[in-house]
Amino acid sequence: DSGVTQTPKHLITATGQRVTLRCSPRSGDLSVYWYQQSLDQGLQFLIQYYNGEERAKGNILERFSAQQFPDLHSELNLSSLELGDSALYFCASSVSGDTQYFGPGTRLTVL
Amino acid sequence: GIQVEQSPPDLILQEGANSTLRCNFSDSVNNLQWFHQNPWGQLINLFYIPSGTKQNGRLSATTVATERYSLLYISSSQTTDSGVYFCAVLYQGGSEKLVFGKGTKLTVNP
Repeated sequence: DSGVTQTPKHLITATGQRVTLRCSPRSGDLSVYWYQQSLDQGLQFLIQYYNGEERAKGNILERFSAQQFPDLHSELNLSSLELGDSALYFCASSVSGDTQYFGPGTRLTVL
Repeated sequence: GIQVEQSPPDLILQEGANSTLRCNFSDSVNNLQWFHQNPWGQLINLFYIPSGTKQNGRLSATTVATERYSLLYISSSQTTDSGVYFCAVLYQGGSEKLVFGKGTKLTVNP
């Protein structure tokens, strides 16, 4: 158990819908990262938050957004969903710059 | 950006065999991690090893930062070692994002 929790584990929804994925980092970790794993793109970095502020952005679509709350949990919002958004979404946390610990992931299926 | 290449892409072993997985990267790195993704999709941290050698049970890893590669050794493999092994790097001068290789898919047969 990495200490990073993600909910829900599975999510099935339809095209055009909006979903929210939630992540709670390990106790004491200020950095939260979101990654997407798809069959064609592999594991790709989406976005990083540090202590409530956006720190780095990767290949995140404009339809996607994230935030980190004062209690350090983070949410990834995915809107106007398309079939190609089906993927495994991981959250990771770290003491900044150190080992990143990954949560169990949320498997999103868009039908 | 930095390139991370893993080899071989696929590996099939009999239980009890040893194996070596390789990760080459194209630029200097601050951090290198090895992960095992099990058949249920979980990404499990194996090593944080920006340089040097570490061992954990039947697994060990070596990173030679000056030559830009890392090796993961699995000895006396077990069926539970099956899955995909990823190398990921955090490169100097970049953000804190990990850049992943495409992985090595390991199948250990009984």
